[in-house]
Order: sequence, then C-alpha cells, then structure tokens
Amino acid sequence: DTGVSQDPRHKITKRGQNVTFRCDPISEHNRLYWYRQTLGQGPEFLTYFQNEAQLEKSRLLSDRFSAERPKGSFSTLEIQRTEQGDSAMYLCASSLGTLDGYTFGSGTRLTVV
Amino acid sequence: QKEVEQNSGPLSVPEGAIASLNCTYSDRVSQSFFWYRQYSGKSPELIMSIYSNGDKEDGRFTAQLNKASQYVSLLIRDSQPSDSATYLCAVNQAGTALIFGKGTTLSVSS
Repeated sequence: DTGVSQDPRHKITKRGQNVTFRCDPISEHNRLYWYRQTLGQGPEFLTYFQNEAQLEKSRLLSDRFSAERPKGSFSTLEIQRTEQGDSAMYLCASSLGTLDGYTFGSGTRLTVV
Repeated sequence: QKEVEQNSGPLSVPEGAIASLNCTYSDRVSQSFFWYRQYSGKSPELIMSIYSNGDKEDGRFTAQLNKASQYVSLLIRDSQPSDSATYLCAVNQAGTALIFGKGTTLSVSS
C-alpha cells in the first residue's frame, strides 16, 4: 500500500467548466475526507465518508460541489461551473477510526482561469 | 462555530534551540488533538497525536495538552533547519472531521 493517491496532481480549467478529482485512500481505511486549502490558510473541511455513506458536508460548501464514494473505496469530487474562487489545493485524506489521525494524499492543485 | 487558533508567525529560532508552538480550541468536548507539519507546496504530514492531559514525547517532539485551558502545544527540541515548515494544529471529537488551525510558520536558522 503506497498511501493516499490523488489524481490529477494539477488541473487548469477555464471558468465555467466542470472538473472531477479522484482519491484512492489507504485500502484498510474506511473513512475518507475532502479538504480545500488556500495559501496561508489551514485545510478547510468539505465532506467525509464512512464507507460509501456521506456522513457530513460543510455548510459552507456550494451546491456546485458534489462528492461520491460509490463502493466505499475510491472517491470523486466534482466541481460544476468552476469559478476563480475555486482555485485551491484539494486534499483527500483517510483514516481507520473516528479519532485517528489522517493520512493525506499529495493533493490536486486547481487553477481556474 | 468550532475554532482552532494559532499564531501565524513566523516563529524564528536558531539551530539547536527549542521551538514552542501553541494552539487553542473552542469546543470543550474535543477528544483528539494532532500536530501536522506541512512543507511549502506539500500536503500535511502527521507528526504527533495526543488524547489525554499531560505530555507525550516522540523523539525531539513533545506534545502537551491541557483540556481545562483548551490548550495544546508542540515543543521541538534541538531545532534543525529541516524543521522549517508550517505546523498545523487539528482537533476533533468522535463522529466529526478534523478542524485545522491556520498554522504557524517556523523558521530555523543555521
């Protein structure tokens, strides 16, 4: 197991386009998290899954954002009609238990032009 | 609104000194506490976890937790230039996701 994998590493898109990111967690981890981080800020929580169930979604999260984890393994995060304010690093993490530390992937850097 | 507060820094220490990083949190029922290190352009890396009041040591790192004061700290002994990074404090309780502070930037000069 090589840790948490995210794809792509970088994405440049035009405003208004849709983008989708993928995350493959550590195989034995049943909890998967999505965060967004901008320069000078800590990671901001977006949503998390336990197995295939989406248990929490940030109230700050626009309806343009949606995430899935269809079989309780990999997850996708889709952003529809991207805006320049969506430019950020999107981080995926996984954990084994509810109080365990998270292992982060390398992130997907999104630039909206 | 659950919050985690950290001084953004930068905190500058000479090589070999002790670096002290501090964090306060607002939710009294928080149960687990973490310190992550993040190098520029990289993702956060877990370096310490602490769940009970008191100190926890791991090599050059010591985490300290005081739940009554809602305060977590990280001490780095014998600081090295390679310790220069942003240190993120994170807090959660069962059933919720980690809440992160904005991070403290540490600079260790040789």
